[in-house]
Amino acid sequence: SQELEQSPQSLIVQEGKNLTINCTSSKTLYGLYWYKQKYGEGLIFLMMLQKGGEEKSHEKITAKLDEKKQQSSLHITASQPSHAGIYLCGADKGSNYQLIWGAGTKLIIKP
Amino acid sequence: KAGVTQTPRYLIKTRGQQVTLSCSPISGHRSVSWYQQTPGQGLQFLFEYFSETQRNKGNFPGRFSGRQFSNSRSEMNVSTLELGDSALYLCASSFSGVEQYFGPGTRLTVT
Repeated sequence: SQELEQSPQSLIVQEGKNLTINCTSSKTLYGLYWYKQKYGEGLIFLMMLQKGGEEKSHEKITAKLDEKKQQSSLHITASQPSHAGIYLCGADKGSNYQLIWGAGTKLIIKP
Repeated sequence: KAGVTQTPRYLIKTRGQQVTLSCSPISGHRSVSWYQQTPGQGLQFLFEYFSETQRNKGNFPGRFSGRQFSNSRSEMNVSTLELGDSALYLCASSFSGVEQYFGPGTRLTVT
């Protein structure tokens, strides 16, 4: 099983609607990273969260890390076709300078 | 700053052949990580190099190897290619090893 659980696996959302993607770990994380990937391309860095309770926003995307640093959510407001893609979370467990990864959430925006 | 570059972008090889992929990190970044991404397995860590030394290694057979040069550029080699090696190979660079910036990937098809 994945060390980081992402949900849902896929999401189809009407353009203009809000949505949330979750990333959960059974262990405390030292850093949580959100990336977006267009099919067959590289990952684009979105945001990094390190402190419990931290929240960051970029344009219409907001990411939060819970107080225990075991769960993060990515919220998109008023979704647009440009938001379509695969969203992946990566996490720093605090050892080996290596990230662990969720399986990804495929987001489709219906016009 | 220029981003991470990977060459070639696409490659078709035959079973049994070997292949070398190249990655040029962001200027100033000393860490380069390699990943294999397939639809079934998701993003899987291959290895990470930092200042010319392999610092971390994933769970892949010895056919997968890499190296890093003094200018931080990195190469990944796969020998005796198998059909299952068909994948998108992603390289990511980082200053410290954790916050990673990805290249566009090399799409390898083994026939």
